[in-house]
Amino acid sequence: NAGVTQTPKFRVLKTGQSMTLLCAQDMNHEYMYWYRQDPGMGLRLIHYSVGEGTTAKGEVPDGYNVSRLKKQNFLLGLESAAPSQTSVYFCASSYPSSYNEQFFGPGTRLTVL
Amino acid sequence: DQQVKQNSPSLSVQEGRISILNCDYTNSMFDYFLWYKKYPAEGPTFLISISSIKDKNEDGRFTVFLNKSAKHLSLHIVPSQPGDSAVYFCAASGGVSWGKLQFGAGTQVVVTP
Repeated sequence: NAGVTQTPKFRVLKTGQSMTLLCAQDMNHEYMYWYRQDPGMGLRLIHYSVGEGTTAKGEVPDGYNVSRLKKQNFLLGLESAAPSQTSVYFCASSYPSSYNEQFFGPGTRLTVL
Repeated sequence: DQQVKQNSPSLSVQEGRISILNCDYTNSMFDYFLWYKKYPAEGPTFLISISSIKDKNEDGRFTVFLNKSAKHLSLHIVPSQPGDSAVYFCAASGGVSWGKLQFGAGTQVVVTP
């Protein structure tokens, strides 16, 4: 099993460009999450999904959109990238019965110039 | 405002000795606490957790202690090994944060031979 995978691993964008980060999991998890990690701030929840076709806002959702068209995939979109979105992005997934024990992907390092 | 705080950004300990990592929280509604471990270029991995109905949970070399009155938890690693060198994140959930983890900023542990 690959677990949680993220594509791409690195990306550099110019201000105003758009992109989509892909997260895929093969553990049949219902719940999926997108976090960002910034220096000195730990991980902060951007959006999450409790099932296929559902999404909800987390702590820092502004400037991001998400979609969960298939149970195994969770996409994070940036429509107009800003330098403040320079960060490391982590995707995670979990079972409903143990939602706190989340499995994380390796991360995507995004730089917005 | 950060509801979970790890006030020590780094900790250096000799191999074989005890590592003690501390975490404080402000939200009295939190009822589940976790520690995650993160190596460079990897996502965090779940290490150990504790429910608010307990004050101690042990798993091999790792023990988590919870002091609810002080809103404080700690992770003890005994004995410390070089492979324990990593960033450790404290996380909490509960109340309106149900299913949404609040992370501390992390503590970098370096275990020296």
